[in-house]
Amino acid sequence: NAGVMQNPRHLVRRRGQEARLRCSPMKGHSHVYWYRQLPEEGLKFMVYLQKENIIDESGMPKERFSAEFPKEGPSILRIQQVVRGDSAAYFCASSPLTGPRFTSDTQYFGPGTRLTVL
Amino acid sequence: EDKVVQSPLSLVVHEGDTVTLNCSYEVTNFRSLLWYKQEKKAPTFLFMLTSSGIEKKSGRLSSILDKKELSSILNITATQTGDSAIYLCAVEARTPLVFGKGTRLSVIA
Repeated sequence: NAGVMQNPRHLVRRRGQEARLRCSPMKGHSHVYWYRQLPEEGLKFMVYLQKENIIDESGMPKERFSAEFPKEGPSILRIQQVVRGDSAAYFCASSPLTGPRFTSDTQYFGPGTRLTVL
Repeated sequence: EDKVVQSPLSLVVHEGDTVTLNCSYEVTNFRSLLWYKQEKKAPTFLFMLTSSGIEKKSGRLSSILDKKELSSILNITATQTGDSAIYLCAVEARTPLVFGKGTRLSVIA
């Protein structure tokens, strides 16, 4: 059973370019979470998605960042017009959560995408 | 704002030592507390705690939650070099998970 997959593993962009990060959840998981880990800091929640729905985007910066989880295909975190401060490791996690919104369930993490903005 | 604080931020011990890592939290609508081990890449799940006073154990690792004190500890006995990692504490509350900054544990031979 393959784990959560993320690609690319490393992404280098110049300031002003777009970054697209992909996440394929574990088989059978329909809930995806994106986190950002800045150097020397803990993981910070960005967004929580189900298929075709954004459930909670309270951690997403208001501008330049967007996320989707289409009916088919991976979840995508898009960062437009990247700046140096966007350099970080971006982790995706998935869970088989099927109950009410905040029912406890274990999240399984992908290996992350390390974004470097030059 | 929900907050999770871990201490110490870093720790260096010798193989065979026992360590205790601390996690305290201030959140609204606490659901559960989770511990993760992060080596080079993704965090791997260790424990989920929802009830106070019940110790969870896995080999040399154990953890317990104290809801009255709003805290949890993670114990590692007879440490090995392979235990060297960042240990993350996370709390599920209003947002799916709020993470602490982690404790960086280095175990030297």
